[in-house]
Amino acid sequence: GQNIDQPTEMTATEGAIVQINCTYQTSGFNGLFWYQQHAGEAPTFLSYNVLDGLEEKGRFSSFLSRSKGYSYLLLKELQMKDSASYLCAVKSQTGANNLFFGTGTRLTVIP
Amino acid sequence: DSGVTQTPKHLITATGQRVTLRCSPRSGDLSVYWYQQSLDQGLQFLIQYYNGEERAKGNILERFSAQQFPDLHSELNLSSLELGDSALYFCASSARQGINEKLFFGSGTQLSVL
Repeated sequence: GQNIDQPTEMTATEGAIVQINCTYQTSGFNGLFWYQQHAGEAPTFLSYNVLDGLEEKGRFSSFLSRSKGYSYLLLKELQMKDSASYLCAVKSQTGANNLFFGTGTRLTVIP
Repeated sequence: DSGVTQTPKHLITATGQRVTLRCSPRSGDLSVYWYQQSLDQGLQFLIQYYNGEERAKGNILERFSAQQFPDLHSELNLSSLELGDSALYFCASSARQGINEKLFFGSGTQLSVL
């Protein structure tokens, strides 16, 4: 089965940097995704990691360590609009292409 | 706009009733996934279809069923509804079944069972 852990809530200040951690245990591993979800809206894709290391995309970066079952999402130069839930999701080798999501981290950005 | 269309946006019904949620995937996408999101839980995978065939099953109750039609749209049927079925139901689609295929989510159907 899959087990994905993320902090439930985080608060950070506008303009700052925040790191959202995700640890996972899965039977087989085919990659890790990060999604952003504003309240009541659809999740939208942020990043994908399948190899160890850092993937950078503008203000957002995502890191993966497969040996440690660990990932983080780094958000720089925080903006008020970054207030949202950030979902860590693992693609398992069991089952065809479906993602298993953590419960998400609700980030609140304060002025 | 992800290109995935879900209808209706909101649904209010009573316990014991049956409802059907509809999803049209992005043009050209063959895979459709259904997820349930309750207030205190993350996105729970329910079921996946690929080109009309069931491919994977998650935590889907026996009272729930789904299908994907030849035109690739999908329907999720929820029957004998209970209060605990109240949740946001998302449909997602992807083009194929590649390892790095990302899912595109619809805006969801908010189901309220009273």
